[in-house]
Amino acid sequence: EVQLVESGGGLVQPGGSLRLSCAASGFTFSSYSMNWVRQAPGKGLEWVSYISSSSSTIYYADSVKGRFTISRDNAKNSLYLQMNSLRAEDTAVYYCAGWLQLGYWGQGTLVTVSS
Amino acid sequence: DVVMTQSPLSLPVTLGQPASISCRSSQSLVHSDGNTYLNWFQQRPGQSPRRLIYKVSNRDSGVPDRFSGSGSGTDFTLKISRVEAEDVGVYYCMQGTHWPPIFTFGPGTKVDIK
Repeated sequence: EVQLVESGGGLVQPGGSLRLSCAASGFTFSSYSMNWVRQAPGKGLEWVSYISSSSSTIYYADSVKGRFTISRDNAKNSLYLQMNSLRAEDTAVYYCAGWLQLGYWGQGTLVTVSS
Repeated sequence: DVVMTQSPLSLPVTLGQPASISCRSSQSLVHSDGNTYLNWFQQRPGQSPRRLIYKVSNRDSGVPDRFSGSGSGTDFTLKISRVEAEDVGVYYCMQGTHWPPIFTFGPGTKVDIK
């Protein structure tokens, strides 16, 4: 059974930092690109960042470019999102998703940016 | 950037009746490799999104056959042949043809029971 389990969310002050993790199992993680997708409260889905299977190609949405960093550790079957200079508008549930254009999703982790 | 639109944004349906959601893209979604990367997702209340359909018309594993996808170029449709109570939720179309950005979602269509 495929599982993607996010962790690391929480309450952080504006300007602060947070690191999200996603533990993958049940599929060959190292063979597939992965993504972070977020959903602000009551809003739709927004793609945030992409990383290829070997980490050689990385993309970010304009809204997070220069502030967020995606990475992965294929030996640990794990995906990460380092989020710096957080803003109120970054408040959202963050989902780890991947496998052939988002065939697998995690349960999400809530990030709240507020003073 | 490609813009995805959906209609309607709200769809009250009667149990056992068909339902249809339209999705349009601002550019053709035919990729240079010949594939059309248009996918449909379902998000039930309080749950993570789940992909139902990939590349226009291919159902994901475990998806009931009452769900079907069709279309080409810039116009696409998700159909539910007979709506069941478990189909309540928000449905999103998403394009994965034009990079960057990698994926662009439609605004979502909320399906509920009349």
